[in-house]
Amino acid sequence: DVKVTQSSRYLVKRTGEKVFLECVQDMDHENMFWYRQDPGLGLRLIYFSYDVKMKEKGDIPEGYSVSREKKERFSLILESASTNQTSMYLCASSLFGTDLPDNEKLFFGSGTQLSVL
Amino acid sequence: QKEVEQDPGPLSVPEGAIVSLNCTYSNSAFQYFMWYRQYSRKGPELLMYTYSSGNKEDGRFTAQVDKSSKYISLFIRDSQPSDSATYLCAMSGGSGGYQKVTFGTGTKLQVIP
Repeated sequence: DVKVTQSSRYLVKRTGEKVFLECVQDMDHENMFWYRQDPGLGLRLIYFSYDVKMKEKGDIPEGYSVSREKKERFSLILESASTNQTSMYLCASSLFGTDLPDNEKLFFGSGTQLSVL
Repeated sequence: QKEVEQDPGPLSVPEGAIVSLNCTYSNSAFQYFMWYRQYSRKGPELLMYTYSSGNKEDGRFTAQVDKSSKYISLFIRDSQPSDSATYLCAMSGGSGGYQKVTFGTGTKLQVIP
């Protein structure tokens, strides 16, 4: 089974802190994603990466950055946490394939509930 | 207008009922249609996917796509308490390489024993 592991289940931080959310997958997937999930807004893509050291902005990248130094690890960084970044953060991975729907079959971690006070 | 609309529910049904979950969408480029199930305090997991129009059945679950109406459905037969979860529809252009997946907001389902 594909396993996507997020380092923290719950995290409480203060406004202005630098926050690191870590994600590791064990299935050698090329694609990795960071989403946030908010009630009434659903899942929104923050950033994704299709290769080591590569990154692409999603729909809501403002206030976030990412790092992918190794294939299995994708980190989300909140440079200066703000209260409107309180949310459930979900990491996902998928194969990069030419046979559909490999790219669209997302495997999610259990999420990190981040509260910024 | 959102690209994908999904009734948030909550939907509460007795055990054994047939459940119908629906999404509408506006982007005619979508070709891949997926349903994810999300249990409380867990990440979503892929339940079913279909390509273009038509039906797909997997056990008690049937996914339907009507591209002419831009409408997709997930039917659950003989619903069980273990089906209680939030169901998210998702769709993408699916023309190769990475295609952005657009999610609905999810419908919360509760199956009462």
